[in-house]
Amino acid sequence: DIQMTQSPSTLSASVGDRVTITCRASQSVVTWLAWYQQKPGKAPKLLIYKASSLQSEVPSRFSGTGSGTDFTLTISSLQPDDFATYFCQQYRFYPFTFGPGTKVDI
Amino acid sequence: QVQLQESGPGLVKPSQTLSLTCTVSGDSISSDGYYWSWIRQHPEKGLEWIGYLYDSGSTHYNPSLRSRLTISVDTSKNQFSLKLSSVTAADTAVYYCARGMYDYSGSADAFDIWGQGAMVTVS
Repeated sequence: DIQMTQSPSTLSASVGDRVTITCRASQSVVTWLAWYQQKPGKAPKLLIYKASSLQSEVPSRFSGTGSGTDFTLTISSLQPDDFATYFCQQYRFYPFTFGPGTKVDI
Repeated sequence: QVQLQESGPGLVKPSQTLSLTCTVSGDSISSDGYYWSWIRQHPEKGLEWIGYLYDSGSTHYNPSLRSRLTISVDTSKNQFSLKLSSVTAADTAVYYCARGMYDYSGSADAFDIWGQGAMVTVS
């Protein structure tokens, strides 16, 4: 299975901060990578697909970059609604696998 | 808009079969361009892809669960279902159904719509 790692595991930030989360795959997934946001008790929400494509209705402060094994999710100016856990997911290989998550807190 | 809703028992005894149904509203489960998946999340832990269904009956399963897993569709009810046999406490999790997209080339893309999740406890 493709192992996905994320760093940091927890990130403390303030409103207005620029936040960057890193995801690494154990082998190249090209750009078959997605980012999701999850709030407590809620289902994950798709933010980014194909490594850099912004999902419809997702604010433009979210952006994704990367290819191969190294990817980043950036929030350009953190808003109160953005405090959540973020997961990456590869879907180049079966089984699809997710990263362990990065919790963004105040 | 398209919505997914999981339903099924919240408590299952060890060695029995876990059964969940996902009801799709707002679109036909037979629509082109999408596949239908199950994903679970163990308490306070990460996400695990279980498997998916496409082309109104074909499936891809996670090898770690394949021997115990069946995903099927009922197009007349616009539903798809999960059956996981011989469950243990390790199968205790929140189970999500989700819609996956296909890209222009027909390759599986990310999960764009998720159900709210169903907590299943094996005890």
